[in-house]
Amino acid sequence: AQSVAQPEDQVNVAEGNPLTVKCTYSVSGNPYLFWYVQYPNRGLQFLLKYITGDNLVKGSYGFEAEFNKSQTSFHLKKPSALVSDSALYFCAVRDGGATNKLIFGTGTLLAVQP
Amino acid sequence: GAGVSQSPRYKVAKRGQDVALRCDPISGHVSLFWYQQALGQGPEFLTYFQNEAQLDKSGLPSDRFFAERPEGSVSTLKIQRTQQEDSAVYLCASSLGAGYDQPQHFGDGTRLSIL
Repeated sequence: AQSVAQPEDQVNVAEGNPLTVKCTYSVSGNPYLFWYVQYPNRGLQFLLKYITGDNLVKGSYGFEAEFNKSQTSFHLKKPSALVSDSALYFCAVRDGGATNKLIFGTGTLLAVQP
Repeated sequence: GAGVSQSPRYKVAKRGQDVALRCDPISGHVSLFWYQQALGQGPEFLTYFQNEAQLDKSGLPSDRFFAERPEGSVSTLKIQRTQQEDSAVYLCASSLGAGYDQPQHFGDGTRLSIL
C-alpha cells in the first residue's frame, strides 16, 4: 500500500533562513507526490507535484521540492522563510488504484519566527 | 466563485440526528473527492465521483455515510444517526480531469461537531 511519512511534527525556523520540511514515501510503482499547505480553519492549498522529469520541482509562493528516488524522499524547501509561511504542511502520494485518491501524511507545523 | 465551495462551514448536531453537507466543485471539474480530517491528523479519503458516477466508496466508515452527485456537479455527503466519533472536518476536493497528474483543489471544509 502507498504511504507517506512526515517525521517532524513541528519545524521552527527564523525568518530569512532556509527551510526544509521532510517527507518520505513508500509506493509500489511510480510515485506521484504532492505538497499541500493548510492555514487555520481553511482547506488545503496545492503547492507542487512530482509526476516525472526533473528531480527539483518548483511550485507556488517560492516553494520547491526535491525528489530523491534512492532515499525515497520528497522534501519541501524554500530558500528564505517568511513569517506568513507559518502553517501546516502535508505531503501526499497518489494511491495506486484507479481513482487518484490521495494518501496524506500526518502533517508538519512550520513556525517561522520574526 | 472560482474555488470549491462547501456549506455549511460549521454544523453542530445532537447524537442521533441526520446531517447533510454540500459541496460545489469548480465548474467543469470532472472528479470530486470527499475526505475526513480528524483533529491533528491528515485528511483521509472517503469517496470519489467521476461526473455522476460514484467509482470508489471504500473509505466510507459505515453504512450511515452516504454520498451523491446526481447531476455531475454539486455533491452531498449525508450522515445518518450521527455519533460522536463523526466529529471532524469534512473536506471536498475537485480536479479538472480524471488523470493521475491532476492536482486536487480543496474547499474550506465543514466542521461537524456532534454533541
